[in-house]
Amino acid sequence: AQSVTQPDIHITVSEGASLELRCNYSYGATPYLFWYVQSPGQGLQLLLKYFSGDTLVQGIKGFEAEFKRSQSSFNLRKPSVHWSDAAEYFCAVAQNSGGSNYKLTFGKGTLLTVNP
Amino acid sequence: DTGVSQDPRHKITKRGQNVTFRCDPISEHNRLYWYRQTLGQGPEFLTYFQNEAQLEKSRLLSDRFSAERPKGSFSTLEIQRTEQGDSAMYLCASSAGLAGALLSYEQFFGPGTRLTVL
Repeated sequence: AQSVTQPDIHITVSEGASLELRCNYSYGATPYLFWYVQSPGQGLQLLLKYFSGDTLVQGIKGFEAEFKRSQSSFNLRKPSVHWSDAAEYFCAVAQNSGGSNYKLTFGKGTLLTVNP
Repeated sequence: DTGVSQDPRHKITKRGQNVTFRCDPISEHNRLYWYRQTLGQGPEFLTYFQNEAQLEKSRLLSDRFSAERPKGSFSTLEIQRTEQGDSAMYLCASSAGLAGALLSYEQFFGPGTRLTVL
């Protein structure tokens, strides 16, 4: 069965500092990978996605992620964090369980705190 | 507003009561998903519809849970005889479902329904 691991439960950074959130996946086929962000009490907003092609993908709000097949990783990065980036971040992989269902399997999330 | 909407946003109920949630997907999307998210966890898949057909149900979906999408548009999720363990955020998502197109993989989420069972 596929799985997604986000090793860091909680990360604290200072505003203006760089950020890297780690994500490792386990999936037998070519993975379709996503990063979502969730503010308290809200739904999930898609930051970026990887389907194929260039392994460095750009997303919204200045985020980027790099797919590394050899390391089974899809880490999220941002060069300079803003206070409004404080939220919970989820990595996910799309799994085709047969037919037309491409359900998502999520990691447990990383909570980001930004200090002023 | 052309996004996914869910109603209600919050629901507080007593143990043993029945509750029903509604999801309105993006209008041209034929795929609809329900997920459940408990505190400190990522969302977990519950069930999937393509048009009006419910094609997959997770083992998490006990016989107290039922979902419908009667006309292939909005969907409802009903929980009968609620238990305290049902307290969670219930998320709905939709996707375009274009055969052979990578866009099919991208799911758009609603704001969720927060259920509290007392």
